[in-house]
Amino acid sequence: QVQLVESGGGVVQPGRSLGLSCAASGFTFASYAMHWVRQTPGKGLEWVSTVWSNGDNKFYADSVKGRFTISRDNSNDMIYLQMNTLRVEDTAVYYCARGGNPFDYWGRGVLVTVSS
Amino acid sequence: DIQLTQFPSTLSASVGDRVTITCRASQSISFWLAWYQQKPGKAPTLLVYQASKLETWAPPRFSGSGSGTEFTLTISGLQPEDFATYYCQQYNNFFSYTFGQGTRVEIK
Repeated sequence: QVQLVESGGGVVQPGRSLGLSCAASGFTFASYAMHWVRQTPGKGLEWVSTVWSNGDNKFYADSVKGRFTISRDNSNDMIYLQMNTLRVEDTAVYYCARGGNPFDYWGRGVLVTVSS
Repeated sequence: DIQLTQFPSTLSASVGDRVTITCRASQSISFWLAWYQQKPGKAPTLLVYQASKLETWAPPRFSGSGSGTEFTLTISGLQPEDFATYYCQQYNNFFSYTFGQGTRVEIK
């Protein structure tokens, strides 16, 4: 069955960096676009970034453009999110999700807390 | 960017009730709209795609409709396991996605 498992969350100070990973299994990873979505505590969902199946096309929400970088490793069925210059408002649960369109499988999420 | 306005933000209902959630897009998105169900502490689960197509796990009491800018999710005969938060999402283009603010369905 499809599984997505995020890792790498934690507490980080404003202005610092953190990297997230998502391990995929149970499907032909290289055939799917992959996404990161975040959810602030008690609030709604925000799309963060997308990488197409070939890894060449990447898209970002305006709120993270220039600070976050998405990437993927089709040999190891992994996606990554490198988050630089973190802000307090980046505090959220970060989910990786599979899509096509729309996002048909999601991981359990990982908490990122940006705090001094 | 395409904005989604989802309402109501909270809906109080009883088991057996018929409830409707509305999602309005700031511009036409054809039928490129999905609905997700999220329970506390869990990831969202895809419920409806292309405005009206149910995922295989979803019971037929759920139905989606609409096109263009106005969409609805209806639950006909609310069950205890349906109390959750529901989000709409537009995927009209492949480089930017938007979610609605969510509707919490709670027990009256």
